[in-house]
Amino acid sequence: GEDVEQSLFLSVREGDSSVINCTYTDSSSTYLYWYKQEPGAGLQLLTYIFSNMDMKQDQRLTVLLNKKDKHLSLRIADTQTGDSAIYFCAESNNAGNMLTFGGGTRLMVKP
Amino acid sequence: GAGVSQSPSNKVTEKGKDVELRCDPISGHTALYWYRQRLGQGLEFLIYFQGNSAPDKSGLPSDRFSAERTGESVSTLTIQRTQQEDSAVYLCASSLRAGNRNSPLHFGNGTRLTVT
Repeated sequence: GEDVEQSLFLSVREGDSSVINCTYTDSSSTYLYWYKQEPGAGLQLLTYIFSNMDMKQDQRLTVLLNKKDKHLSLRIADTQTGDSAIYFCAESNNAGNMLTFGGGTRLMVKP
Repeated sequence: GAGVSQSPSNKVTEKGKDVELRCDPISGHTALYWYRQRLGQGLEFLIYFQGNSAPDKSGLPSDRFSAERTGESVSTLTIQRTQQEDSAVYLCASSLRAGNRNSPLHFGNGTRLTVT
């Protein structure tokens, strides 16, 4: 079955770039997503990438997809304390109606 | 409201009791999902409704778990004879239509269930 893996924790200093990595196993995934979860809140969609793309940029966010290695990353430029949260990577199935989530990476931004 | 609303936000119950969790999706969203998030872990799919089709119950962990949805509106997740391992945050999400990349999942803030 599908499996999505992420590292548990990342700590960076304010102003530095953060890179959060994710690996997945389902080669038929059509879309891959990054969600952000702040304490006590639900998940907020940050960005997504279609599987035929290898890069997508959206303001401070850059998503890189290596389909051969099934590796997805999220780069946050000029990381701010407000970026501290848990970041979840998710892949969709072929029909696009089911998401499988990774365990989440807790990003801590130090001032 | 503009977002997905879940109630209660917190629920403490004794082992063996039944609980009902409620989700109000965004108006007009035909797809509704329930996920479970255990402490420090990712999201575990439970059940999915799409319009009037039969729900996908493949993620329900046991027959103590059930969910209903009235048309394309409110959904309730029921856990019977709760066990301590049921303690988790239960998240509901809705989308305009499943399978549409321009229709991302919108999540509620969850119900934190604690079984003592």
